[in-house]
Amino acid sequence: DAMVIQNPRYQVTQFGKPVTLSCSQTLNHNVMYWYQQKSSQAPKLLFHYYDKDFNNEADTPDNFQSRRPNTSFCFLDIRSPGLGDAAMYLCATSREVQPQHFGDGTRLSIL
Amino acid sequence: RKEVEQDPGPFNVPEGATVAFNCTYSNSASQSFFWYRQDCRKEPKLLMSVYSSGNEDGRFTAQLNRASQYISLLIRDSKLSDSATYLCVVNDGYQKVTFGIGTKLQVIP
Repeated sequence: DAMVIQNPRYQVTQFGKPVTLSCSQTLNHNVMYWYQQKSSQAPKLLFHYYDKDFNNEADTPDNFQSRRPNTSFCFLDIRSPGLGDAAMYLCATSREVQPQHFGDGTRLSIL
Repeated sequence: RKEVEQDPGPFNVPEGATVAFNCTYSNSASQSFFWYRQDCRKEPKLLMSVYSSGNEDGRFTAQLNRASQYISLLIRDSKLSDSATYLCVVNDGYQKVTFGIGTKLQVIP
């Protein structure tokens, strides 16, 4: 089945230790998004790729980076995770302004 | 003013009741609108897109009012399984996608 797959489902890392979350899709969608969602809050858009074009939200910390080596894959790199970065990270894809399809998310914990 | 505003609730309704949620948006140039459902600790799942003419999917009806800049979701004959958070989502046409905080619905037996 076509889908959006995020790995891992749960990630535990140490304070300050770099971590990478991955997302892959078989939908061949041209847009990929990364969101951060904390408890009882709306998903917050961090950045998105429109094809190869990277679009960073103005309030996304520099600590967060992303890579999209090809259409199918997108990575979220957190260079020096702080306690405040503990959250659910959601990857989504869409074709243009069509509805987004979400992966299951990666729940990140910081020790 | 927030870009997308929703009443966070919770809305506690008995089984079989009809419940309606509204969502307002600030960008009059917004292009597309959606309702998503999110269960606790799960990812958002698309419930329905919202069209200017209004659209219905079973017990769910969505409407868009561009003049007043709000969208609505009506759930008829509520089921226990409808208990979830309902997220209003607005796309400005340039892949700037904004979520509302979500409205929590609890259907009570």
